[in-house]
Parts: sequence; structure tokens; C-alpha cells
Amino acid sequence: DTGVSQDPRHKITKRGQNVTFRCDPISEHNRLYWYRQTLGQGPEFLTYFQNEAQLEKSRLLSDRFSAERPKGSFSTLEIQRTEQGDSAMYLCASSPLPNEQFFGPGTRLTVL
Amino acid sequence: GQQVMQIPQYQHVQEGEDFTTYCNSSTTLSNIQWYKQRPGGHPVFLIQLVKSGEVKKQKRLTFQFGEAKKNSSLHITATQTTDVGTYFCAAAGGSYIPTFGRGTSLIVHP
Repeated sequence: DTGVSQDPRHKITKRGQNVTFRCDPISEHNRLYWYRQTLGQGPEFLTYFQNEAQLEKSRLLSDRFSAERPKGSFSTLEIQRTEQGDSAMYLCASSPLPNEQFFGPGTRLTVL
Repeated sequence: GQQVMQIPQYQHVQEGEDFTTYCNSSTTLSNIQWYKQRPGGHPVFLIQLVKSGEVKKQKRLTFQFGEAKKNSSLHITATQTTDVGTYFCAAAGGSYIPTFGRGTSLIVHP
């Protein structure tokens, strides 16, 4: 499968724990995006990489969230000290060009 | 970032009826994209519109970008049950970061 992959697909954690998600983009895509989506809403932008450089980060993103993309390939999104409000679907998308994005299947996070 | 309003939030149609969803912005957009998300799935890119007044067609789907580049619409002719899902517009201003609308959920009754 040459699409965007994400791991894990589901994560259940207790409040206060740290979690890390991984995204593997389509190999020739140099842009990578992270979004969060809750029920009944559109994807909400979290952060964006071009190659290994993190170029933009949402002002809504708390300091508990951090993302990396070492060597411009896969990316990780870490959430520290999770809260119940962090429960959502976390989507990764990659793009060869500005704007057209190919989404992965997402990681569904449930914080108990 | 851009703010986009998408209406309606839900639309029920009988199979064979037409469907339209609208996306509006208070500011001029550099481009607009449309995505479809099936229930339980992830957004799938449909199209990008860039030019003022642009109209593009994909089989039964017609996409329009307003003359002022502040609004867009997606029209589906003769809906089928396979059209079920949520349709999102995503608007970009000067940056590469698109802002998604809340989406319109299409329910098609056979």
C-alpha cells in the first residue's frame, strides 16, 4: 500500500499519561500535516512540516503537544499529560504540492 | 486563518434527487478544495479550484468558485447511495494551511 499510514489506529489511555502517534507519508511527498477531528467537525489544523522543518503550528496547540519529522520522512505527534478533552481522531496528511492533501486513516485517541 | 461557513449541516435526499452544499468566506480566498469523508473513513481529496468563476465537473459532481473568490458550491446531480458521506470545503488564504468547514452530511434514502 503506497498511501499514508498511521499507527496505532486506536489508543486508549488514562488521563495524565503520555501518548505518541506515528505517521508515514507517501514517500515522495515533502509536506506533512497533522489535524485533529472531533465528531461533527471538520479537521482542525495542528501543525505542518515541509521536509524536516516544522513551518507552522496552530496557536490553539498547547505546549503539551509536540511533533517531529526527523530526516523529512515519517513524523511523530506526542501528547504529554493527556486530558479527556484530547480525545479525538488525529489525522495525518501528506502533499506533493501546496494544498492537495492525502489523508491517512487516523489514530483514534480515547482518554479515560 | 480563514473562517469558512458551510451550509447546510445535514441534507436528507431521496435517491435520484439533486444535492448542493455551499461554502462561504468573509475574505478573499486564494483557492478552495473539496473533500469527501465516508462514515468511519478519512477525508478524500476531490478537487481544487483556483480561478475566479471557475467551474469544474467530475461525472455527476459540479464544483464552482465564486467570481469574488469568497464562496464555492458543490452540486451533485441525481444522487446515489454511494454519495453518502460528509462533504468538506477547505479554504486557503495566503498560506498553505487550509481551513476546513464543518462539513455537510449527505444522507441518501433509497
